[in-house]
Amino acid sequence: GESVGLHLPTLSVQEGDNSIINCAYSNSASDYFIWYKQESGKGPQFIIDIRSNMDKRQGQRVTVLLNKTVKHLSLQIAATQPGDSAVYFCAEIIEGGSEKLVFGKGMKLTVNP
Amino acid sequence: DSGVTQTPKHLITATGQRVTLRCSPRSGDLSVYWYQQSLDQGLQFLIQYYNGEERAKGNILERFSAQQFPDLHSELNLSSLELGDSALYFCASSVTGARSYEQYFGPGTRLTVT
Repeated sequence: GESVGLHLPTLSVQEGDNSIINCAYSNSASDYFIWYKQESGKGPQFIIDIRSNMDKRQGQRVTVLLNKTVKHLSLQIAATQPGDSAVYFCAEIIEGGSEKLVFGKGMKLTVNP
Repeated sequence: DSGVTQTPKHLITATGQRVTLRCSPRSGDLSVYWYQQSLDQGLQFLIQYYNGEERAKGNILERFSAQQFPDLHSELNLSSLELGDSALYFCASSVTGARSYEQYFGPGTRLTVT
């Protein structure tokens, strides 16, 4: 069945470095992808989204890249800060007309001062 | 603060019991979603309601049920609880029909079944 997964379960970076979090998806029919951030003890928080008709979308310090050819999604965080430490999930909409999100397992980002 | 509220924050109960989790969506949001987050399964979509009607169903057990009331708050009922039901349960809301599928998550209810 369809699934969304992450390549790396953990990532440690130094403060100020750029971080790249990767995600693979399996359903080529998916047309919408979202990155969520979950801090300890909190619910997931929307970061950025991208539609399948786009290759790149930029937000504040974050960029999402979509490669439909290899069904790969990445989240780039520029100048990573300690406040970026969290678990990051990619999510995929796989049913037309429904907002049913399929989440990947998550990847923990630790930013070292 | 996402604007989504969930009660209770923590819940400890015994196997075989029944509990009700409550969610109030953001003002103006018509859709409510329930998710289960456990260590081994990650975030799993359970069910979605839109303006009082069930709209999508995910991996929700028959022992679980939900509803959305006229004031748009939602309740998730978990019955015949098992140890494996221990998890974080999140509610999320969104404005269905908007260009974005962005969902706003509540702080969650931590359920512990002993």
